[in-house]
Amino acid sequence: DTAVSQTPKYLVTQMGNDKSIKCEQNLGHDTMYWYKQDSKKFLKIMFSYNNKELIINETVPNRFSPKSPDKAHLNLHINSLELGDSAVYFCASSQGLAGGHNEQFFGPGTRLTVL
Amino acid sequence: AQSVSQHNHHVILSEAASLELGCNYSYGGTVNLFWYVQYPGQHLQLLLKYFSGDPLVKGIKGFEAEFIKSKFSFNLRKPSVQWSDTAEYFCAVRVRAGGSYIPTFGRGTSLIVHP
Repeated sequence: DTAVSQTPKYLVTQMGNDKSIKCEQNLGHDTMYWYKQDSKKFLKIMFSYNNKELIINETVPNRFSPKSPDKAHLNLHINSLELGDSAVYFCASSQGLAGGHNEQFFGPGTRLTVL
Repeated sequence: AQSVSQHNHHVILSEAASLELGCNYSYGGTVNLFWYVQYPGQHLQLLLKYFSGDPLVKGIKGFEAEFIKSKFSFNLRKPSVQWSDTAEYFCAVRVRAGGSYIPTFGRGTSLIVHP
């Protein structure tokens, strides 16, 4: 009965590879997010989708491309992985206009290690 | 752009000690304020939130936070901590930008409670 799930939980890969992380929420929310948490625990928003439309796109290299096939899914594809991409990536969801008053529910995170 | 500062990066307490974690934000407009907790190996969970009204907010597990507008602060408190409160604590601010709410997180405070 996981509310927000991410796969994989761990991802180890070589520089230059392309990888995807998947996120699914079964809460019926209309807004989903991707966050990056670096080694110093900074949690920074990358993208947000509302009803499958991109509404927040922070300063993120265009090697990162989110895709929302439907309201319940927000996947993150990363091209040409670099060492600096190593981090924990969290997916989250909420109901309403990009959050606002509403609680965000977070996934368990995907720890990406680029060698 | 708004920012969130959590001054205490690491806090170590004994059980039954009182806790106060600082959170300051920089934004002159209306803000929505949150505290999240991340227990070891788990995802972020909401502790409490403030939107308007009584500036003293009660959350789960005996936590509370006080919004002091003049100080741009939203400090988290608990009168008596338990070993199970060992976790990372994140303060977050959401401000309205256009049609979206942009969430910004602090860098987190690591709390270790000794039994």
